[in-house]
Amino acid sequence: DIVMTQTPLSSPVTLGQPASISCRSSQSLVHSDGTTYLSWLQQRPGQPPRLLIYTVSNRFSGVPDRFSGSGAGTDFTLKISRVEAEDVGVYYCMQATQFRYTFGQGTKLEIK
Amino acid sequence: EVQLVESGGGLVQPGGSLRLSCAASEFSLSGYWMSWVRRAPGKGLEWVANINPDGSDQYYVDSVKGRFTISRDNAKNSLYLQMSSLRAEDTAVYYCARAFNGMDVWGQGTTVTVSS
Repeated sequence: DIVMTQTPLSSPVTLGQPASISCRSSQSLVHSDGTTYLSWLQQRPGQPPRLLIYTVSNRFSGVPDRFSGSGAGTDFTLKISRVEAEDVGVYYCMQATQFRYTFGQGTKLEIK
Repeated sequence: EVQLVESGGGLVQPGGSLRLSCAASEFSLSGYWMSWVRRAPGKGLEWVANINPDGSDQYYVDSVKGRFTISRDNAKNSLYLQMSSLRAEDTAVYYCARAFNGMDVWGQGTTVTVSS
């Protein structure tokens, strides 16, 4: 199975400042169809997960444009341009390139 | 509104069985891969199982293989997870999700507690 490794595991951020989370996969996430099935999800306290970004850099419907995704191959990044209070929660990268999906360990975003 | 609603969670003794259900509304399940994902207390998300649109292919995380079975009834627009030989480490909130563009639609989750 593909192992997904996120850094950092905890990120204290000042409101209005940027935040960045990295995700590295143990093998390339480029599918045989040419698509890279890497997505980012957010889980706020007490809520189900929510899709933010799919196929590396596509923002899902309703997601604020302060969220952006980038990367290729095995290295990916989620950036929040200006952190707001509602962004507190745990962020996960997830690969769906193989049928057996895998998540990163999660990065807890907290406000300083 | 496109929605998934899980049910069937509860308290079960080690070695017991439980069947989770996930009802879809405002979209047809038959067009999509579907997944079960869980989050154990104090831990992160763990993918559990996938099933293809017609139910002919299933994939499982190693820790549940041989104990859990994912299935679907497209006519009833429902997804299922049959869990047997349950262990304490299966205690978690279980979510069903539509496996499209990653996982674009999630249910609210149902809690499974395995304890004597």
